[in-house]
Amino acid sequence: GAVVSQHPSWVICKSGTSVKIECRSLDFQATTMFWYRQFPKQSLMLMATSNEGSKATYEQGVEKDKFLINHASLTLSTLTVTSAHPEDSSFYICSAPGLAGGLASTDTQYFGPGTRLTVL
Amino acid sequence: AQSVTQLGSHVSVSEGALVLLRCNYSSSVPPYLFWYVQYPNQGLQLLLKYTTGATLVKGINGFEAEFKKSETSFHLTKPSAHMSDAAEYFCAVSSTSGTYKYIFGTGTRLKVLA
Repeated sequence: GAVVSQHPSWVICKSGTSVKIECRSLDFQATTMFWYRQFPKQSLMLMATSNEGSKATYEQGVEKDKFLINHASLTLSTLTVTSAHPEDSSFYICSAPGLAGGLASTDTQYFGPGTRLTVL
Repeated sequence: AQSVTQLGSHVSVSEGALVLLRCNYSSSVPPYLFWYVQYPNQGLQLLLKYTTGATLVKGINGFEAEFKKSETSFHLTKPSAHMSDAAEYFCAVSSTSGTYKYIFGTGTRLKVLA
């Protein structure tokens, strides 16, 4: 139980195009999801908190117009990298904590397998 | 503010030897502490966690960690390393305030020598 999926697992795009990454909680609901970025051989950097039914909260230094987040339902959050450039190439990981009373623990985040974005 | 320090970005052990990965944290509120493992090109898998109660927590794959408040530490150990343990390990702290935002350490890459 408590599985988070991401789609696609990898994507290659041309500079200037937009890319959408989906994060789904498969067997539990999540009003909050988190998006991280990980550079090679480095730790995870929290980009934003995705809130179901409301605007995302972005960490300092993260451009909200560049990284659009939509949390349309209790099981789906999307991250759109707009006008992607080579410096946006990275490994993007989402996570979600469970809701009280549900299958997943509320004090634990469950991570997706990540999406490798390469911008040419 | 919370922070996590993982001492040693790279640790090498022989197969069958003790694994010790160090994690120290700072937090102004009672912390939740986590260890995650990441294999190449994959997401993070929870090894174990401490929230409340017993300070020695056991996780998957034979790993365990002990929460020591006086030392602000949460070191990860395994009595006998296996080749399959080679991976990146991350320590994380979150607060009990309800936001569950994680602060990650910089990670420790474990290498297991045959």
